[in-house]
Amino acid sequence: DAKTTQPTSMDCAEGRAANLPCNHSTISGNEYVYWYRQIHSQGPQYIIHGLKNNETNEMASLIITEDRKSSTLILPHATLRDTAVYYCIVTTGNNRKLIWGLGTSLAVNP
Amino acid sequence: DTEVTQTPKHLVMGMTNKKSLKCEQHMGHRAMYWYKQKAKKPPELMFVYSYEKLSINESVPSRFSPECPNSSLLNLHLHALQPEDSALYLCASSRNTQETQYFGPGTRLLVL
Repeated sequence: DAKTTQPTSMDCAEGRAANLPCNHSTISGNEYVYWYRQIHSQGPQYIIHGLKNNETNEMASLIITEDRKSSTLILPHATLRDTAVYYCIVTTGNNRKLIWGLGTSLAVNP
Repeated sequence: DTEVTQTPKHLVMGMTNKKSLKCEQHMGHRAMYWYKQKAKKPPELMFVYSYEKLSINESVPSRFSPECPNSSLLNLHLHALQPEDSALYLCASSRNTQETQYFGPGTRLLVL
């Protein structure tokens, strides 16, 4: 199963873009990259996912490298409410089982 | 609407008690999941139901017993739990097992 590697923690100034990197060098051709975040003691919140192409929605943008071995989640204008643990996840198999890493703890500072 | 609800929010139980956790969704999703999350760790998959049938059991001890009475409801029956079972129990649902999972807020369980 493909695994992900993320920085343990990151800081970002409020109003600036937060760029969260993720390595998934063993990803297979049919495996998706998903991003979820978890604010303290709440359930994980879906952010975005992609296979090959870059994706954007109202929450964030996902940039996937051409070789698909890494990706970056971009929160364009971080707010204090974006402080959370961000999980980069590669799904596996037909059942799209989520393979969770340890995540990045993002602190947005005023 | 991507809401999954879970009750209760918090639960304290003794090792000899029997209790149940409840999860509900009204999005027409046909896949539902139970996860367990310990502090500072990622969620761990416990069970997957697809079209009301158990499709994945991640070698969970029998003191945890899932039930899917209909397509909107998922229960987790708890019996003779141990203190190490204290955790945040998360429910999730998706249109099917190949689609995006949406999580509920979780039940915080403390076993004394």
